[in-house]
Amino acid sequence: GAVVSQHPSWVICKSGTSVKIECRSLDFQATTMFWYRQFPKQSLMLMATSNEGSKATYEQGVEKDKFLINHASLTLSTLTVTSAHPEDSSFYICSALPGLAGGFYEQYFGPGTRLTVT
Amino acid sequence: KQEVTQIPAALSVPEGENLVLNCSFTDSAIYNLQWFRQDPGKGLTSLLLIQSSQREQTSGRLNASLDKSSGRSTLYIAASQPGDSATYLCAVRGLTGGGNKLTFGTGTQLKVEL
Repeated sequence: GAVVSQHPSWVICKSGTSVKIECRSLDFQATTMFWYRQFPKQSLMLMATSNEGSKATYEQGVEKDKFLINHASLTLSTLTVTSAHPEDSSFYICSALPGLAGGFYEQYFGPGTRLTVT
Repeated sequence: KQEVTQIPAALSVPEGENLVLNCSFTDSAIYNLQWFRQDPGKGLTSLLLIQSSQREQTSGRLNASLDKSSGRSTLYIAASQPGDSATYLCAVRGLTGGGNKLTFGTGTQLKVEL
């Protein structure tokens, strides 16, 4: 089956620093990648959608200058949390959507990255 | 705007029991619906995907049904085991208003006790 990896799996950083999280599709090309965040005991909330080679589309209320997304290739997307603050501490999950195969969409998820800002 | 609700929010059952998790959505214009499992502190594992033209999908002890017109899906788990303990999420992919986006439900936290 399709595999999506994330790195790092967890990270602790100091307030004011920036953190980069990588998301890779290992055995398929992802035309679209998504970034979600999940607070404890809550569901996933979509932050942004990125298509390879174009700017990401951010959901309402998500600061695009704070959460920088780069989708430079069909297998790699990165999320950079800039000037992180404790309220940015969360579980970040990426997801990848392969190119259309007969119009069949199945979205594959990474294992998540736990970010703790101290 | 699509809204997805899951009932119950939490469920505790003895091992061996058959159980049903419910998912409802407000906009029936969907492309497909997926059921996921999430273990604590982990990512999502896809369990079943039902296309809008399908009525149900089965995988092992799991059976998911879809009634698109009424905006409902159920996940049936047969002969539950302690290893089934996890949070179960349903998500729908809409046909309009955002294209490829999945809208997630609130989740059902399942605990299967020995």
